[in-house]
Amino acid sequence: QKEVEQDPGPLSVPEGAIVSLNCTYSNSAFQYFMWYRQYSRKGPELLMYTYSSGNKEDGRFTAQVDKSSKYISLFIRDSQPSDSATYLCAMRIDKIIFGKGTRLHILP
Amino acid sequence: DTGVSQNPRHKITKRGQNVTFRCDPISEHNRLYWYRQTLGQGPEFLTYFQNEAQLEKSRLLSDRFSAERPKGSFSTLEIQRTEQGDSAMYLCASSLDGTDTQYFGPGTRLTVL
Repeated sequence: QKEVEQDPGPLSVPEGAIVSLNCTYSNSAFQYFMWYRQYSRKGPELLMYTYSSGNKEDGRFTAQVDKSSKYISLFIRDSQPSDSATYLCAMRIDKIIFGKGTRLHILP
Repeated sequence: DTGVSQNPRHKITKRGQNVTFRCDPISEHNRLYWYRQTLGQGPEFLTYFQNEAQLEKSRLLSDRFSAERPKGSFSTLEIQRTEQGDSAMYLCASSLDGTDTQYFGPGTRLTVL
């Protein structure tokens, strides 16, 4: 079992829809949870990070962590074509472990 | 632009050749990381420096790979005797000691023919 599991997609949703992206993890020692966005041929860009269980909101983005279930989510409200990218979940104890990334397409 | 920069952005080489990549981190960041990303995968940790000291190396970093950060500023990653399996995007990231946020560069895409 890999430490971080993420469905690679692709996930296609119409513009304006709510997007839900998810990851599961196996190591309960992970302390710091992140979501990165990566456009084609670019480096990853940090979107959100959190240490604790619960929700954290930033504009149209909400990160959710459930440590008891070892499950993290990223919600995107009012999705736009510019949100089309690969979304990588990541978590760390000492070094960062990334999921495979989910390719998201927002259809105009 | 004060972000992380990497050069070259693309490198095509023949199998068996040596290649070297450069990373310039954000100026005040003392930690520097190298990752490798292959198609359809997330970045995988290779090594990291705190100032000029290389503190950790992944088992992915075979003896053909060497990284340096001689003055604690820019870093180089050299691959000797390249193999087709080395084809990947090589990403550099930097962070400030005591923070958890790593900022990534645009990557160097290596193609080994």
